[in-house]
Amino acid sequence: DAKTTQPTSMDCAEGRAANLPCNHSTISGNEYVYWYRQIHSQGPQYIIHGLKNNETNEMASLIITEDRKSSTLILPHATLRDTAVYYCIVRAGRGYQKVTFGIGTKLQVIP
Amino acid sequence: GAVVSQHPSWVICKSGTSVKIECRSLDFQATTMFWYRQFPKQSLMLMATSNEGSKATYEQGVEKDKFLINHASLTLSTLTVTSAHPEDSSFYICSAPSGTSSEQYFGPGTRLTVT
Repeated sequence: DAKTTQPTSMDCAEGRAANLPCNHSTISGNEYVYWYRQIHSQGPQYIIHGLKNNETNEMASLIITEDRKSSTLILPHATLRDTAVYYCIVRAGRGYQKVTFGIGTKLQVIP
Repeated sequence: GAVVSQHPSWVICKSGTSVKIECRSLDFQATTMFWYRQFPKQSLMLMATSNEGSKATYEQGVEKDKFLINHASLTLSTLTVTSAHPEDSSFYICSAPSGTSSEQYFGPGTRLTVT
């Protein structure tokens, strides 16, 4: 799996958009960008994934640069419940493959 | 989305005893499940891959005789921590890929404390 680089921590005001960056300059053509988050003392939760095109679901939007070397996860209106560690992971798209977690970004949503 | 459960959610045991943790896929079948361990303020570390009908595959540095994995059915995998020691105290998390999607679903985790 390609290595990813994320900021260690970020703050975001409640109600504002949270933009979480991720660099994955060594991504290969068949690898997807996945985002998970882990709220304290809980198991990770899947957020979104994409290959080339930007993606949006009920939780977030994923913006992938044209060269696919970086991406941004956007939480449009952050709430206190969004405080968590967010993991950007690059891997082949088959679900049965293991997920390798990095350090992630600790997002603190501030009232 | 698919649901993965773990039991127990937390357990306290004495040093030297064994503890079994269950991981179940509730609404889908999983021929493969993964077991992770997470120490405080650290990321998840993959311990092993549990395979239904065959032996588990362990990551480098994980003692297979200490962390016994049994994938008993298409919906159940168990992790047994044998002869537990205080350094085994950790948050254990399992995950399972759903055959109908490319996503993996994680259990809520089991907090193990060895005294």
